[in-house]
Amino acid sequence: DQQVKQNSPSLSVQEGRISILNCDYTNSMFDYFLWYKKYPAEGPTFLISISSIKDKNEDGRFTVFLNKSAKHLSLHIVPSQPGDSAVYFCAATFQGGSEKLVFGKGTKLTVNP
Amino acid sequence: DTGVSQNPRHKITKRGQNVTFRCDPISEHNRLYWYRQTLGQGPEFLTYFQNEAQLEKSRLLSDRFSAERPKGSFSTLEIQRTEQGDSAMYLCASSSPPANYGYTFGSGTRLTVV
Repeated sequence: DQQVKQNSPSLSVQEGRISILNCDYTNSMFDYFLWYKKYPAEGPTFLISISSIKDKNEDGRFTVFLNKSAKHLSLHIVPSQPGDSAVYFCAATFQGGSEKLVFGKGTKLTVNP
Repeated sequence: DTGVSQNPRHKITKRGQNVTFRCDPISEHNRLYWYRQTLGQGPEFLTYFQNEAQLEKSRLLSDRFSAERPKGSFSTLEIQRTEQGDSAMYLCASSSPPANYGYTFGSGTRLTVV
């Protein structure tokens, strides 16, 4: 069963506009969430994370929002740039122990100039 | 530090052959992970080492798969009697706790079984 779901396989936005990538999870035991970006032929690169005790974390153009009651998180990119075009993965983990990550299937973001 | 290094980048093998991949983590990271990614899917956890001890294995890791991390440095992942279903990208990552800083992934080894 898919514990982390990214229901949009792809998203296309214009340069300068906001990109919103969504992620849902089913396991209420997850207490830490991360977003990774992946370019072709490269490994995933860590982007931003959020603890379950927070509802927002911001880093430059990237903001992650967490709605625990809805088991939903989103990544906002403002303003979007062509270099942001990549596959974005949402991941979740339990802190302590192995801290292995459970990934969604990813959303391919295309930012058009 | 050059990050997490994986070799080879690509491997094509015939069904039934054995293959071995190597991962060199970031030197100060004591945790090392192996993940597998197939087309259209996110990475899936395979196994985890803390220093030289293999502390967790996924049920995805069948008896044909074995991983080692001697002396807590580099790690190897061996697949025996490869099957076409083993074709995937094998990703290695390393970290130091807590993982809220995110792992550092290598570029992966793409395995094709023909």
